[in-house]
Amino acid sequence: AQSVTQLGSHVSVSEGALVLLRCNYSSSVPPYLFWYVQYPNQGLQLLLKYTTGATLVKGINGFEAEFKKSETSFHLTKPSAHMSDAAEYFCAVSGNSGNTPLVFGKGTRLSVIA
Amino acid sequence: KAGVTQTPRYLIKTRGQQVTLSCSPISGHRSVSWYQQTPGQGLQFLFEYFSETQRNKGNFPGRFSGRQFSNSRSEMNVSTLELGDSALYLCASSSVGSYNEQFFGPGTRLTVL
Repeated sequence: AQSVTQLGSHVSVSEGALVLLRCNYSSSVPPYLFWYVQYPNQGLQLLLKYTTGATLVKGINGFEAEFKKSETSFHLTKPSAHMSDAAEYFCAVSGNSGNTPLVFGKGTRLSVIA
Repeated sequence: KAGVTQTPRYLIKTRGQQVTLSCSPISGHRSVSWYQQTPGQGLQFLFEYFSETQRNKGNFPGRFSGRQFSNSRSEMNVSTLELGDSALYLCASSSVGSYNEQFFGPGTRLTVL
């Protein structure tokens, strides 16, 4: 069984400040990990993913995440927040068999203050 | 390449009615998954279809059903609607060997009155 915990349902940062969204997972098999973003009235868009290999993963819009197996974490970061980053962010985990469903965290709403 | 499309985008129904939602995946994608998104429960997996067969199923009552056609288009049906079925229903498609990377449609917003 797999699960995802996102710490903080709402995070607020100033424009230009570091963005850090936390994600911890539980998985009985080596996981595939994902971060998705959702803008109002839209579907989810993939930001980045970890499957195998390099543990530091770079995604779109300047976001990156690091897979830390010892900490069962996959935190999302961005060095400098933009107003356009304001959205809901979801961390998700799946097994590595290729056909297991995604399990999502509850989401973190990011607000960016001018 | 066209993205995942879902129709209709908005629906209003009353309790006891049934509803059918449609999803057209990205061309070439054979896997279609459905999710229910609500403020209280977040994103919950409903089911996945691959090559017209249900491959995975979430923990939802039998009122929720789906199917996939030979062109990979999928429909989900909810019978005997309840107020609690009000939600955003998201469809996602993926290709074989995509490491579960899923591409989401804009969703269908269902309101049950």
